[in-house]
Amino acid sequence: DIQMTQSPSSVSASVGDRVTITCRASQGISSWLAWYQQKPGKAPKLLIYAASSLQSGVPSRFSGSGSGTDFTLTISSLQPEDFATYYCQQANSFPPLTFGGGTKVEIK
Amino acid sequence: EVQLVESGGGLVKPGGSLRLSCAASGFTFSSYSMNWVRQAPGKGLEWVSSISSSSSYIYYADSVKGRFTISRDNAKNSLYLQMNSLRAEDTAVYYCARDLCSGGSCGAFDIWGQGTMVTVSS
Repeated sequence: DIQMTQSPSSVSASVGDRVTITCRASQGISSWLAWYQQKPGKAPKLLIYAASSLQSGVPSRFSGSGSGTDFTLTISSLQPEDFATYYCQQANSFPPLTFGGGTKVEIK
Repeated sequence: EVQLVESGGGLVKPGGSLRLSCAASGFTFSSYSMNWVRQAPGKGLEWVSSISSSSSYIYYADSVKGRFTISRDNAKNSLYLQMNSLRAEDTAVYYCARDLCSGGSCGAFDIWGQGTMVTVSS
């Protein structure tokens, strides 16, 4: 099974900050990577698919990059509504489809 | 409005059974692969099972294989998860989720239900 490792597990940031979250796959997954945002008590929301494609309706301050084993999610200017937990997920080697452990973005 | 609504969760004793349902609306259900994803309290996301649009392809996580059965009824726009031999570690919120791509599988999930809580406890 492919393991997905996110870092950091949590980050404290201020409104307006640039935030970068990293996701590393235990083996190459080409560009089969998605990013989700989850707020407490809510279902996850798809932000990015195919490593760098922005899902419809998602603000352009979110961007994704990478291929192979190393990927990043960047929030260019953090907004109050962006405080949440973010998950990466691979779909290259399936089953199983695997998620990273999550990165909690907290208010500084 | 594109929507998924889960039901069927609840409290069940270890070894018991439960059947979850997911009602889809606002899109052509029969064109999409569908999935179940769960989240234990305070934990991350765990993929549980997937089923292709015509039920030709079905996959399970090792943790539920042999105990859970995914199915769908395209005429009723509904997805199901039959859960047998439930264990304490199956306690979680269960989400149904639609694959992003129509007619195939992208492995990304663009529409999620609100989730239904399953608690396995004596």
